[in-house]
Amino acid sequence: GNSVTQMEGPVTLSEEAFLTINCTYTATGYPSLFWYVQYPGEGLQLLLKATKADDKGSNKGFEATYRKETTSFHLEKGSVQVSDSAVYFCALSDRGSGNTPLVFGKGTRLSVIA
Amino acid sequence: DGGITQSPKYLFRKEGQNVTLSCEQNLNHDAMYWYRQDPGQGLRLIYYSQIVNDFQKGDIAEGYSVSREKKESFPLTVTSAQKNPTAFYLCASSIVGSGETQYFGPGTRLLVL
Repeated sequence: GNSVTQMEGPVTLSEEAFLTINCTYTATGYPSLFWYVQYPGEGLQLLLKATKADDKGSNKGFEATYRKETTSFHLEKGSVQVSDSAVYFCALSDRGSGNTPLVFGKGTRLSVIA
Repeated sequence: DGGITQSPKYLFRKEGQNVTLSCEQNLNHDAMYWYRQDPGQGLRLIYYSQIVNDFQKGDIAEGYSVSREKKESFPLTVTSAQKNPTAFYLCASSIVGSGETQYFGPGTRLLVL
């Protein structure tokens, strides 16, 4: 079956530090990959996505590259801000199986301190 | 503005009571979803629907029921059979198709009195 594994949190960083949140996946088909962000008490917002191998998704200084050879989609940001404190979810949708709901990782909580 | 609305923001349930969570979207999406979020558990799929008058069970459907009488609406009922209903419930919608982005509402927090 399909699954997503992301690094355990919480992750605590100082402002302007470099961020990496690891995400690996298992899929029976050829998935699209997503990163969502959730701020306290809110729903999920799409941060970025990639639909094929070697695609790079980017938004708000965050980026992630679809690596088929390592089945990974790690999230990176060069300089985090306090406002980036949130929970980040990696997810996949198996494009080979018709319309399927997203499969989510367990989320990684990021705290950025000034 | 197009989007997904969920109501209420907070909901309290007494023992043995059924409660219904509302989800409405004006994005003209055919597919809608319900997820449950517990601390440290990520999101788990309860039910989803790809077309009016049809829906499928997700991973944790027991103790829940849904209906899809209109394209815009996908209410979720938490029945008395759900013994541990305290959680954050998220509704989402998308275009029907492989690999499509899902868009989420703001969520409803359900608490048991």
